[in-house]
Amino acid sequence: QVTLKESGPALVRHTQTLTLTCTLSGFSLSTSGVRVSWIRQSPGKALEWLARIDWDDDKFYSASLRTRLTISKDTSKNQVVLTMTNMDPVDTATYYCARILYDSSGFGAFDIWGQGTLVTVFS
Amino acid sequence: SYELTQPPSLSVSPGQTARITCSGDNLGDRFASWYQQRPGQSPVLVLYQDDKRPSGIPERFSGSNSGNTATLTISGTQAMDEADYYCQAWDTGTPRAVFGGGTKLTVL
Repeated sequence: QVTLKESGPALVRHTQTLTLTCTLSGFSLSTSGVRVSWIRQSPGKALEWLARIDWDDDKFYSASLRTRLTISKDTSKNQVVLTMTNMDPVDTATYYCARILYDSSGFGAFDIWGQGTLVTVFS
Repeated sequence: SYELTQPPSLSVSPGQTARITCSGDNLGDRFASWYQQRPGQSPVLVLYQDDKRPSGIPERFSGSNSGNTATLTISGTQAMDEADYYCQAWDTGTPRAVFGGGTKLTVL
């Protein structure tokens, strides 16, 4: 069974750095064609794409958050890690990781989503 | 940057056809995907590559994409279809994923 599970702190202080981990099960990031993204959703708001990492370590970031985000992978643990610096209360959101459906173009849909983890940023 | 626009809300009666649109510059030149999100749950992929249904998605969900508009059609809408729906495409030049603002579908 293919699953993704997010983990990380529920509370983060303003200006701190957030580190989130996505643990993959049922598929491997070391497999050719595997791609994973992070997506967030502020309360009552739309989905917002944050970053993507590919099996070959290619990385892509949201233009608006590029300077604050770092995505990385640990293939030995089959995990994807997202760090976001200088957290602000407006970054309060549910953070999801999602697998990108294999597509030779590299632009597949997000076919499997994690349960999400709510991160609240306080002053 | 690339943007996708959806109507904020749509109401239909049970059994009717719901059509949710998603607009973007030359959207028809790229693939659109659609996600259903019920309250308190993670999004679920309901259509990809404009009109393909993942395993387990009912046949009443269909899609099209041409010109500047992609459309998610739900035929014979049921109460269980009440949810937020998001379209998504890739800004392939960058590449960055883009989501629409979401449409709240009410079945009443």
